Amino acid sequence: DTEVTQTPKHLVMGMTNKKSLKCEQHMGHRAMYWYKQKAKKPPELMFVYSYEKLSINESVPSRFSPECPNSSLLNLHLHALQPEDSALYLCASSQGPPGHSYEQYFGPGTRLTVT
Amino acid sequence: RKEVEQDPGPFNVPEGATVAFNCTYSNSASQSFFWYRQDCRKEPKLLMSVYSSGNEDGRFTAQLNRASQYISLLIRDSKLSDSATYLCVVGGTYKYIFGTGTRLKVLA
Repeated sequence: DTEVTQTPKHLVMGMTNKKSLKCEQHMGHRAMYWYKQKAKKPPELMFVYSYEKLSINESVPSRFSPECPNSSLLNLHLHALQPEDSALYLCASSQGPPGHSYEQYFGPGTRLTVT
Repeated sequence: RKEVEQDPGPFNVPEGATVAFNCTYSNSASQSFFWYRQDCRKEPKLLMSVYSSGNEDGRFTAQLNRASQYISLLIRDSKLSDSATYLCVVGGTYKYIFGTGTRLKVLA
């Protein structure tokens, strides 16, 4: 089973709201990722967690706050977003960090609209 | 120069055709290579990993040329259902780098 689940599937939020995106995998993977994808563009890396520690933050604005409560869960907390943050937010996981040729598996994404 | 480059296409091919995509990468220390398929408004799905010896999965063949720093994907006997964006992904030490994707449309 190579399933990564994400909730919610769709989210509409105002610029003053606080919301969270959730991601879960039960494959025993030790690396998890958040990506942002705009239409007709490839996924853009935001954060990497490796063994539950944040290993990469790609200069993401602080209105996005990741959290890894345990090895199966990854959250992305959203606060004071801008309309240009509207996108598909993808979670992914891999057995280990990228440097070991592990395959990466994606969840179905959360389609976020900021009004 | 982008770290991973692909021809964005679109490639419009008739059903039954053979089509090939190439992807070049700039970092010679890159360690892993993959092809993903992404349908409109869906997540990327792993199509195949790419190994130095080349590998085949049904109608799909992937090749890696480390000397010239490119990977390729060959699709034989194209089906309408192959219409999608094909993403080349290169694994570095700390993260995966995505190409821009190549759009394929298979025409009836």
